[in-house]
Amino acid sequence: DIQLTQSPSFLSASVGDRVTITCRASQGISSDLAWYQQKPGKAPKLLIYATSTLQSGVPSRFSGTGSGTEFTLTISSLQPEDFATYYCQQLNSYPPTFGQGTKVDIK
Amino acid sequence: EVQLVESGGGLVKPGGSLRLSCAASAFTFRSYWMHWVRQAPGEGLVWVSRINGDGSDTRYADSVMGRFTISRDNAKNTLYLQMNSLRAEDAAVYYCAREHCTTSTSCYFDYWGQGTLVTVSS
Repeated sequence: DIQLTQSPSFLSASVGDRVTITCRASQGISSDLAWYQQKPGKAPKLLIYATSTLQSGVPSRFSGTGSGTEFTLTISSLQPEDFATYYCQQLNSYPPTFGQGTKVDIK
Repeated sequence: EVQLVESGGGLVKPGGSLRLSCAASAFTFRSYWMHWVRQAPGEGLVWVSRINGDGSDTRYADSVMGRFTISRDNAKNTLYLQMNSLRAEDAAVYYCAREHCTTSTSCYFDYWGQGTLVTVSS
């Protein structure tokens, strides 16, 4: 199975901060990586797919980069509604796997 | 608007069974592969199972293989997960999700249901 390791697992930030979350894959997955945002008690919401393509309706402050085994999600200017847990996911090979999550909390 | 609505969760004793349903609307259900993903309380997301569009091909996580069965009724636009021999570690919120692919390997889950809670306890 392909393991996805996110770092950090938790980060504390302020509104307006630039935030970067890293996702490392245990083997190459080309550009087949997605990012999801999940708020407490809610279903995950797709933010980015194919490493860098923004899902329709997602604000442009979110961006993704990477390829192979290392990927990043960046929020250019953190907004109050961005405090949530973020997960990376690969469907390049079975079974699909998720990172363990990164919780973004208010400093 | 695409909607996925799960139902069927509840409290079940260890060793018991439960069938989850996911009702889909506002898209051509039979054209999409569908998945179940679960999330134990306070934990991360874990993939459970997948079924292709016509129901002829299924995949399972090792942890549920032989105990869970995924199926679909395209006439009813409904996805199912039959869960047998339930264990305490199966307790979780179960989400159904629609798979969308831009290439043969660049796939992701573009729509999710709201989830249904399964509790396994004596």
